[in-house]
Amino acid sequence: QVAVLQSGAELKMPGSSVKVSCAASGGGFSRYAVIWVRQAPGQGLEWMGGIVPAFGMINSALKFQGRVTITADASKTTVYLEVTSLRDDDTAVYYCARGEYGEGSNYFDSWGQGTLVTVSS
Amino acid sequence: QSVLTQPPSVSAAPGQMVTISCSGSSSNIGTNSVSWYQQLPGTAPKLVIYDSNLRPSDIPDRFSGSKSGTSATLGIAGLQTGDEADYYCETWDSAVAEVIFGGGTKLTVL
Repeated sequence: QVAVLQSGAELKMPGSSVKVSCAASGGGFSRYAVIWVRQAPGQGLEWMGGIVPAFGMINSALKFQGRVTITADASKTTVYLEVTSLRDDDTAVYYCARGEYGEGSNYFDSWGQGTLVTVSS
Repeated sequence: QSVLTQPPSVSAAPGQMVTISCSGSSSNIGTNSVSWYQQLPGTAPKLVIYDSNLRPSDIPDRFSGSKSGTSATLGIAGLQTGDEADYYCETWDSAVAEVIFGGGTKLTVL
């Protein structure tokens, strides 16, 4: 496991964009994947997409394609989630997590503390 | 509506055992490994079972996992009040190339 730290809470207007960061301590994410999961108030977990920073591989959920961008910085120690055209129903806690996914092992053993994004006029 | 089906809630008395089911299909549970997460109120999810039946080193052996066909099960023995939480199953769906989560099950320790 590794300590994962996310950026702070955000209050956004409908139609605007938000960018949330996710950083790993002690040398970054290595060869692991990083995913983004959101949880609307009182609801379950919803996968948005993931990236393997070491290889530049990116996957995103069909539901969010065109509105979500997942990137990593050049040092591969920080991953970002950008969501555009925000709507009221994007209000949620956004989590990042490190692990593996795909055909084979699927698990996420290190989670960030969550970032509350509130969309309201 | 999640692709993975879990019961909305389960309950049992302290000391008893409870099982939580997760039903999927051939393109997800039938093909890929399953993980389970515990989410205490107001906190991030925590991995309790991976590769369908393995426990991280910090998870007590009261927690167990199994998989058969297109279904997976989480078992928790010797229930404690601290086990009250929401539990989610998770796997990869090869048909749509996405990580998928079950809808979650709220465990109440009476």
